[in-house]
Amino acid sequence: DTGVSQDPRHKITKRGQNVTFRCDPISEHNRLYWYRQTLGQGPEFLTYFQNEAQLEKSRLLSDRFSAERPKGSFSTLEIQRTEQGDSAMYLCASSLVWDSNSPLHFGNGTRLTVT
Amino acid sequence: DAKTTQPNSMESNEEEPVHLPCNHSTISGTDYIHWYRQLPSQGPEYVIHGLTSNVNNRMASLAIAEDRKSSTLILHRATLRDAAVYYCILRDSNFGNEKLTFGTGTRLTIIP
Repeated sequence: DTGVSQDPRHKITKRGQNVTFRCDPISEHNRLYWYRQTLGQGPEFLTYFQNEAQLEKSRLLSDRFSAERPKGSFSTLEIQRTEQGDSAMYLCASSLVWDSNSPLHFGNGTRLTVT
Repeated sequence: DAKTTQPNSMESNEEEPVHLPCNHSTISGTDYIHWYRQLPSQGPEYVIHGLTSNVNNRMASLAIAEDRKSSTLILHRATLRDAAVYYCILRDSNFGNEKLTFGTGTRLTIIP
């Protein structure tokens, strides 16, 4: 168990550019979640997958955001035409759904700074 | 989502017990009480969860009020490594509704 891995750890981009983040969940975990966290706030839910199916998207996930999990393993989160308000920590988590209380295992996040 | 209320911050001395309170007066019958913590520069990590009975694990204990409208996370002997933000979360056990909704949590400071 190597834990949830996120890449890159830090990303600085200029407003208007596109960025893509990657998340590698714990092997065989079938649920994968994306959260966003700004300074002083708790993580906010963005979306989640069960295997390759995206089951829920938050209203926070505007049309500029897209997430994929093509083979039910790793996932990518893309932000198009970044805005300064997108600056945040983007967290990925995975879980093995054998019961509804299966804990989420979080990665250490990708910190995005939009200049 | 049912909400929780926690103090913004707490302080405790090293090697003493810490009691972190959480109020959840609108809890429903299918909600479990989960606790996560977030150490500086890390993602949140699971601590403990329970439904009605008190729970113990290697990290902490969870005491749940009889009416389930409040709970307390107990760290039996705080160390400097326990300094973190602690989140109390109600998690719906109905399939498909299990996402975690975080509040702002309690920032715990441990005094050496």
